[in-house]
Amino acid sequence: AQTVTQSQPEMSVQEAETVTLSCTYDTSENNYYLFWYKQPPSRQMILVIRQEAYKQQNATENRFSVNFQKAAKSFSLKISDSQLGDTAMYFCAFYTGTASKLTFGTGTRLQVTL
Amino acid sequence: SAVISQKPSRDICQRGTSLTIQCQVDSQVTMMFWYRQQPGQSLTLIATANQGSEATYESGFVIDKFPISRPNLTFSTLTVSNLSPEDSSIYLCSARAGAGRERNEQFFGPGTRLTVL
Repeated sequence: AQTVTQSQPEMSVQEAETVTLSCTYDTSENNYYLFWYKQPPSRQMILVIRQEAYKQQNATENRFSVNFQKAAKSFSLKISDSQLGDTAMYFCAFYTGTASKLTFGTGTRLQVTL
Repeated sequence: SAVISQKPSRDICQRGTSLTIQCQVDSQVTMMFWYRQQPGQSLTLIATANQGSEATYESGFVIDKFPISRPNLTFSTLTVSNLSPEDSSIYLCSARAGAGRERNEQFFGPGTRLTVL
């Protein structure tokens, strides 16, 4: 069974600073996908970034980037130039075609302060 | 990306009654899902809504309590039956396109906040 672990329940960062959210996972699969979702207080789940396991290059979407370490089964999210609108719960998620469903971590609550 | 809407956005229900939540996707999708999320918690998958056949339920969830319909490739309903205060939660609809560049990406509706008195 796949598991996803987010070891930081809460984090805080000042506006314009950089923050990194951690995520580790466990699987015996070789082909899979990893995602970071953002859930602001409005509770709308928003897909932030995705990473295919077969790609060595780390995914980047504007201020969001990942550090994907396949051997270590680690998938951290880096938010650069943090903005107040980044305040949200962030969920790491894992998907394989075998299970055909997303497995979510427990989430990290990020607070961006002035 | 698919745009997903849910109705109602919130409801307050009496114990013993039922609530049906509707989920509409703006494009045809291969797979639709229903999740439950307690406030401040992660998402728990209730079931996969299969078009034209019975839903596939996760461990701990049963059809009698959470009947699901999926009459076509863009619409699904979740009914939460015989409500108790323990059913108070947020219910989220989700969909995966299953084809094209976004085939493994999953999108979510805005959720339905249910409070049972």
